[in-house]
Amino acid sequence: GNSVTQMEGPVTLSEEAFLTINCTYTATGYPSLFWYVQYPGEGLQLLLKATKADDKGSNKGFEATYRKETTSFHLEKGSVQVSDSAVYFCALSERDDKIIFGKGTRLHILP
Amino acid sequence: ETGVTQSPTHLIKTRGQQVTLRCSSQSGHNTVSWYQQALGQGPQFIFQYYREEENGRGNFPPRFSGLQFPNYSSELNVNALELDDSALYLCASSLATGSYNEQFFGPGTRLTVL
Repeated sequence: GNSVTQMEGPVTLSEEAFLTINCTYTATGYPSLFWYVQYPGEGLQLLLKATKADDKGSNKGFEATYRKETTSFHLEKGSVQVSDSAVYFCALSERDDKIIFGKGTRLHILP
Repeated sequence: ETGVTQSPTHLIKTRGQQVTLRCSSQSGHNTVSWYQQALGQGPQFIFQYYREEENGRGNFPPRFSGLQFPNYSSELNVNALELDDSALYLCASSLATGSYNEQFFGPGTRLTVL
């Protein structure tokens, strides 16, 4: 069945550091791929998405590229801020709408 | 525009009891999905309702059931509660079915089963 695997956390970085959170997926078809973010005390928010191979999703300085050949959708940001501290979830969805999430990666940014 | 709201915020029940969680979808959204998020895990899909009918179900037993009302709000009912049902329950609404429609999540209901 479909699944998502993402790097385990927590990830701790200093402010202005470069961020990469790895995500790979297994899917039978051609899924849409997502990154969601969960800030402390808040609900899940869609951060970015890509719907087909080679698409790049971007938002708030975060980027991820849909790589079909490596079945990956790694999240990157060039310079993180303390306000980026949150839990990040990689996810996929096929035509049936069900979103399949990874286990989440907790990110701590130190000032 | 009001976002997705859920009630109650927190709930404590004992094993064997029944619970009802409620969700109000975002204005104009006719599709509601429910997810269970255990501590330290990603959310898992329970089921989806579209125009008052169940439209897909995840790997959850029948004691997890739901309803959607004509105003598209929704309820999640869990019977015969077990300790493992302790989790954050998330509701998400979308304009329609289909993975191209963004699902907007509520803040969740934290259920503790003792």
